Amino acid sequence: GQQVMQIPQYQHVQEGEDFTTYCNSSTTLSNIQWYKQRPGGHPVFLIQLVKSGEVKKQKRLTFQFGEAKKNSSLHITATQTTDVGTYFCAGPYGGGSNYKLTFGKGTLLTVNP
Amino acid sequence: NAGVTQTPKFQVLKTGQSMTLQCAQDMNHEYMSWYRQDPGMGLRLIHYSVGAGITDQGEVPNGYNVSRSTTEDFPLRLLSAAPSQTSVYFCASRLKADEKLFFGSGTQLSVL
Repeated sequence: GQQVMQIPQYQHVQEGEDFTTYCNSSTTLSNIQWYKQRPGGHPVFLIQLVKSGEVKKQKRLTFQFGEAKKNSSLHITATQTTDVGTYFCAGPYGGGSNYKLTFGKGTLLTVNP
Repeated sequence: NAGVTQTPKFQVLKTGQSMTLQCAQDMNHEYMSWYRQDPGMGLRLIHYSVGAGITDQGEVPNGYNVSRSTTEDFPLRLLSAAPSQTSVYFCASRLKADEKLFFGSGTQLSVL
């Protein structure tokens, strides 16, 4: 089954509000990746976090990797309608191999203009 | 540079029919994979390949076959389609492990 838990499953916000999605792994991860999928589209890579406690920013998006490398979060400040979509986290699993990238179930963000 | 190309974009099958979903990449990526996406289930790994001639199973491999005869191509075969295989299928590739995945535009498959 899924080894990456992502919450919430859905989030509806008013434009200008902040948004956060959380990702929790059952095991320590060597790295974690985040993807965004627009409605009707395909997932697109956003960022990869590798170091314990790492924080990276992309304009209004802030990504964090937990100290224990078992959890991560994506925070969007002042959401815009262009932020609509499903956000996935993904981590490598596979008994020593990093080839299997397992995705969380995603958080669907909708923004009311 | 087209990236990852999937065909067809849409397909309707009858139960028991077989078909092949095509995937090609022109980025000389070692790693290629197939995912299926169902509502509320996220993306689940079906099969993957780490190079020509090498394939392995993912999380949900039953009912699907793959082969990797060239670096560029990674077709997914449905041997005897079942309604449970109705889904959106994505092919994805990356240069090597721990690199970012590049996704194709997807194939929407309906099995009646």
